[in-house]
Amino acid sequence: AQSVTQLDSQVPVFEEAPVELRCNYSSSVSVYLFWYVQYPNQGLQLLLKYLSGSTLVKGINGFEAEFNKSQTSFHLRKPSVHISDTAEYFCAVRKETSGSRLTFGEGTQLTVNP
Amino acid sequence: GAVVSQHPSWVICKSGTSVKIECRSLDFQATTMFWYRQFPKQSLMLMATSNEGSKATYEQGVEKDKFLINHASLTLSTLTVTSAHPEDSSFYICSATSGSSYNEQFFGPGTRLTVL
Repeated sequence: AQSVTQLDSQVPVFEEAPVELRCNYSSSVSVYLFWYVQYPNQGLQLLLKYLSGSTLVKGINGFEAEFNKSQTSFHLRKPSVHISDTAEYFCAVRKETSGSRLTFGEGTQLTVNP
Repeated sequence: GAVVSQHPSWVICKSGTSVKIECRSLDFQATTMFWYRQFPKQSLMLMATSNEGSKATYEQGVEKDKFLINHASLTLSTLTVTSAHPEDSSFYICSATSGSSYNEQFFGPGTRLTVL
């Protein structure tokens, strides 16, 4: 079974500051890794994903994440945040097997203050 | 990207009634659909996985007789909450996957259910 731990439930930052949202995972098999964003009362939108290849993955809205296999981490970063980045962020993993379920972390609420 | 819709986006019903939520893949054929529920300030909890033409696979602790899932076509899955009670009030989200090379899940916008 897989598990995901998001180390920070809430991250408050000021506008234009850099941010890192931390995610660690546990799995006995190879997995795909994902970051999703959820705005209030909406579904999930994919920010980025790691499937294979380069460990630095770039996504939408200026976000990027780095896969670190030895530390089993997939931290999400953005060099300069905007007010509009305020949302809930979920890290998720899935086995590489077709049709496998996603396992989500508990989420991190990012609040960007002016 | 692929689009998944849900209907209705919100619903209020009386205790004891049944509510049906639809999940549609608009521009692709969804071989597998997933149903999640999300309580306020919490993560998504997988309720069940459904494959087109097959019975849904429910997660442990989810009552299959209460949450009826039908996946009759490659573009439509429905979740029916039977005899709803206030504790069933939640945000229900579906996702769909096309069976492509890495099987990305595309999420619907969610349905807010409030049971009075």
